[in-house]
Amino acid sequence: EIVLTQSPGTLSLSPGETATLSCRASQSVWKNSLAWYQQKPGQAPRLLIYDASSRATGIPDRVRGSGSGTDFTLTISRLQPEDFAVFYCQQYGESPRTFGQGTKVEIK
Amino acid sequence: QVQLQESGPGLVKPSETLSITCSVSGGSSSTLYWSWIRQPPGKGLEWIGYISFSGSTNYNPSLTSRVTISQDTSTNQFSLRLNSVTTADTAVYYCARGVARYSAFDIWGQGTMVTVSS
Repeated sequence: EIVLTQSPGTLSLSPGETATLSCRASQSVWKNSLAWYQQKPGQAPRLLIYDASSRATGIPDRVRGSGSGTDFTLTISRLQPEDFAVFYCQQYGESPRTFGQGTKVEIK
Repeated sequence: QVQLQESGPGLVKPSETLSITCSVSGGSSSTLYWSWIRQPPGKGLEWIGYISFSGSTNYNPSLTSRVTISQDTSTNQFSLRLNSVTTADTAVYYCARGVARYSAFDIWGQGTMVTVSS
């Protein structure tokens, strides 16, 4: 199975700053079938990015996904208070679908 | 607007079978792909498996010997059964939608907490 490793584990930033999150796959992700989700405490994950770089419905353009093959990045510019959460990457190019362990973006 | 709602037992005894149902509203469960995903307290996400619109299933090899996903298109529901549960199966269980066989999960239920304890 594809193992996804996210870094850093925790990111401490102030509102207005830029968050850069990394997701590295143990092997190439088929057709860049990689998604990013945001999860707040007590809530279900919410889809942000699919196919590595396509924004889901309603996601602002300051949220950007990039990368291909084994290296992917989620960038969130001009951090807003509602952006602070845990973020997961997930590959859906092969079974089993797998998730990274998560990156927590916290207020500094 | 499609919405998903899980309903589960809350508490299951070790060695018994966990059963959870996901109700689909605002759309049909007889189309697309429907997955189960779980999250132990304070931990990450684990995909359990999916059922397709045609009834075909695909399970995580780590759980395949214990899991069954089924659907009832007449009631617009799909279900998860996990047998021989242990405390390691304690988690929030989510149902989620995928628009294709290879797609992200674009709609999620709110999740239902299941605790395995005697």
